[in-house]
Amino acid sequence: GAGVSQTPSNKVTEKGKYVELRCDPISGHTALYWYRQSLGQGPEFLIYFQGTGAADDSGLPNDRFFAVRPEGSVSTLKIQRTERGDSAVYLCASSLAGEYEQYFGPGTRLTVT
Amino acid sequence: AQSVTQLGSHVSVSEGALVLLRCNYSSSVPPYLFWYVQYPNQGLQLLLKYTTGATLVKGINGFEAEFKKSETSFHLTKPSAHMSDAAEYFCAVKGAGNMLTFGGGTRLMVKP
Repeated sequence: GAGVSQTPSNKVTEKGKYVELRCDPISGHTALYWYRQSLGQGPEFLIYFQGTGAADDSGLPNDRFFAVRPEGSVSTLKIQRTERGDSAVYLCASSLAGEYEQYFGPGTRLTVT
Repeated sequence: AQSVTQLGSHVSVSEGALVLLRCNYSSSVPPYLFWYVQYPNQGLQLLLKYTTGATLVKGINGFEAEFKKSETSFHLTKPSAHMSDAAEYFCAVKGAGNMLTFGGGTRLMVKP
């Protein structure tokens, strides 16, 4: 079956602009996670959804970052007033309820110039 | 809180040699442990996981790992390296909470 998909695969934006990154989880997966992977580092947790609600947003670095999942499926990560330090690969993962194995998408590479 | 330390950001082995990638963790609760592999410009693929039960777990592509509670370790091994094993490997722990905490990664290079 289809895995986790993320769009766009690459995004280049200017400092100060607003961006949206989209994640389509595996069908039937109720849990959805966003991670950020900076160059040469491991992924870092941003936010976790169970269904439509953000169950844990403790990893969001500041209030410029926001994520939604209005219908419990597709999720959008939104970054306002982008900064060069936001440049990274943003990874999305999903899992079945009660399962701990997370399936990752290919990521969106965000470059802020 | 939980954390993961991967010793050695780069490991180089010859084709056919033993692969050993080290991972130590800390967790305030009994951990679930994972190894993921990342090929260039691709997402993370799960190699193997430890949740409960047998402490020696086998994964895909001939990899295995052993959970040692007394050493807080979960090292990844493969008896004989293949050129196709060259990639970045990440150890991760799920402690309290549902998120994964990852180590910094180890880049495995395989020499012909």
